[in-house]
Amino acid sequence: AQSVTQLDSQVPVFEEAPVELRCNYSSSVSVYLFWYVQYPNQGLQLLLKYLSGSTLVKGINGFEAEFNKSQTSFHLRKPSVHISDTAEYFCAVRLTQGGSEKLVFGKGTKLTVNP
Amino acid sequence: NAGVTQTPKFRVLKTGQSMTLLCAQDMNHEYMYWYRQDPGMGLRLIHYSVGEGTTAKGEVPDGYNVSRLKKQNFLLGLESAAPSQTSVYFCASRKWETTDTYFGEGSWLTVV
Repeated sequence: AQSVTQLDSQVPVFEEAPVELRCNYSSSVSVYLFWYVQYPNQGLQLLLKYLSGSTLVKGINGFEAEFNKSQTSFHLRKPSVHISDTAEYFCAVRLTQGGSEKLVFGKGTKLTVNP
Repeated sequence: NAGVTQTPKFRVLKTGQSMTLLCAQDMNHEYMYWYRQDPGMGLRLIHYSVGEGTTAKGEVPDGYNVSRLKKQNFLLGLESAAPSQTSVYFCASRKWETTDTYFGEGSWLTVV
């Protein structure tokens, strides 16, 4: 079975500081990995995804993530955050089961950017 | 440019009442999903559908039913609402053989 662990439930940082949100997955097969962002009272928006190829993937709003197969990690990073990055971030893995595919989400990390 | 639309956006129910959440997508997607989001739990899959006329159970299906009579619509029903079903519900859809899943804006349901 595939599962996703987000190691930090809350991450407070100051504006313009770098941030890393950690995500580990468990899977015995190749995976598709995703990061989604949820702004307050809104739906989920895709930030970036890893399907194959280069292990460093770049997404929207200056975010990037690195796929590390040996450590089964897919950590999200941004070198300098803004107040507007305050949101909840979800890591997800695509699970294939019984011929159908669905996303399995981590429990989320709340990023709070303080002035 | 509607994408995935959920109705209603907010609803308060009394314990034991029934209701239906409607999800509509205009992107001709085959896959549709219903998730619930609870604090500290992330999103958990309730039911999903891989095409018109087909549905399947997800991680937390108890207390819910679904129907996919038309390709563009996926209905989530609560036959007898319970306070434990107080949650934010998200519908999502995806085209077969693609990787991007699109989410609706959410439906806030409170059961008192």
